[in-house]
Amino acid sequence: QVELVESGGTLVKPGGSLRLSCAASGFVFSDVYMSWIRQAPGKGLEWVSFISSGGDASNYADSVKGRFSISRDNAKKSLFLQMNSLRAEDTAIYYCARDRGAVVGDYFDYWGQGTLVTVSS
Amino acid sequence: QSALTQPPSASGSLGQSVTISCTGTSSDVGTYNYVSWYQQHPGRAPKLLIYEVSKRPSGVPDRFSGSKSGNTASLTVSGLQADDETDYYCTSYVGNNRVVFGGGTKLTVL
Repeated sequence: QVELVESGGTLVKPGGSLRLSCAASGFVFSDVYMSWIRQAPGKGLEWVSFISSGGDASNYADSVKGRFSISRDNAKKSLFLQMNSLRAEDTAIYYCARDRGAVVGDYFDYWGQGTLVTVSS
Repeated sequence: QSALTQPPSASGSLGQSVTISCTGTSSDVGTYNYVSWYQQHPGRAPKLLIYEVSKRPSGVPDRFSGSKSGNTASLTVSGLQADDETDYYCTSYVGNNRVVFGGGTKLTVL
């Protein structure tokens, strides 16, 4: 069965960096696009970034562009999100999701359980 | 890219139907048939309900249906059940490999 497990979330100071990971299993990871989606406490969902199956294409929400970097290791069936220059408004649960269909974000059919990132001094 | 507009709340009686709207612009919902809907219970990851405006993944009851008219997409929940009381989010492709979510709607079952 498809499983996505995020890790790496923790408390970090403003201006700091953090790297999130997402371990995938139960499907051919190298065949699919992946996305990161976040949810601030008590707030709605926000798409953060996507990466193509081969890792040669990616894009970001304006709110994180230039600060966050998405990558993947298909041999290790893992997805990553490098987060730099963190701000208080980046505090959120970060979900990795399998991104399927004809275009980016056509639909997210499987989600991980999320990992909490807290940015605070 | 601005978030899609959803009503903060909606309500319906047990067994009845309710429709939740998701309004975008001619640059997103109005142009692309890549609208999806998600259900999220507290403390849980979102679950896909509808994709490509009106398609249902296997395992999702046919009580959930989607449609679109112009710049507005809609999710209809028929035969409301107590477990339907939770949060619902829409998304739309907006071009250039980007996606936008709606602000979310909290559904109350009376």
